[in-house]
Amino acid sequence: DTGVSQNPRHKITKRGQNVTFRCDPISEHNRLYWYRQTLGQGPEFLTYFQNEAQLEKSRLLSDRFSAERPKGSFSTLEIQRTEQGDSAMYLCASSSQGGDTEAFFGQGTRLTVV
Amino acid sequence: GESVGLHLPTLSVQEGDNSIINCAYSNSASDYFIWYKQESGKGPQFIIDIRSNMDKRQGQRVTVLLNKTVKHLSLQIAATQPGDSAVYFCAENLGTGRRALTFGSGTRLQVQP
Repeated sequence: DTGVSQNPRHKITKRGQNVTFRCDPISEHNRLYWYRQTLGQGPEFLTYFQNEAQLEKSRLLSDRFSAERPKGSFSTLEIQRTEQGDSAMYLCASSSQGGDTEAFFGQGTRLTVV
Repeated sequence: GESVGLHLPTLSVQEGDNSIINCAYSNSASDYFIWYKQESGKGPQFIIDIRSNMDKRQGQRVTVLLNKTVKHLSLQIAATQPGDSAVYFCAENLGTGRRALTFGSGTRLQVQP
């Protein structure tokens, strides 16, 4: 499978616990994005990497959220001290460099905080 | 059938009819627009894109129209099929070097066989 891969697909956690999600982009893509999507809404931008550099962060990305892309390949998104409001689908996307190019999305990780 | 975007979130059409999904975007500085299709439990799937220097672009069975004067985007699907049933999102890139996409809240397309 050469698409964007996200793991795990589903995560149930207790409030207050930390969770980490992983995204493996399409191999030749140097741009990587994280979005959050709640039921019935469109995806909301969280953050963007070009190679290993985190170039954009949304104000939605509170200090409990941190994203990394240490080697410019896969990325992780960590949420500390989870709250029920963090329950959502977390989507990763990647795109190639060079003008405006469409972002290809993964299947997402659905987080449920109980 | 035709939707009015955010004010009519569900569009129901008969198989074989043409569908038109509308979207009003927010920022006059946006320079790149994409339509995505999202099926239940899956991530958004790219359908077609258009840059702000164009007003029309055609793909296979799909056409995107851009009216910058009124900040309006539409997606036309010809000969709609049951497999087209999904939620459709328009997304805009705000330009000025930013990469983030801003998505609308979507329109659900239901195709009746």
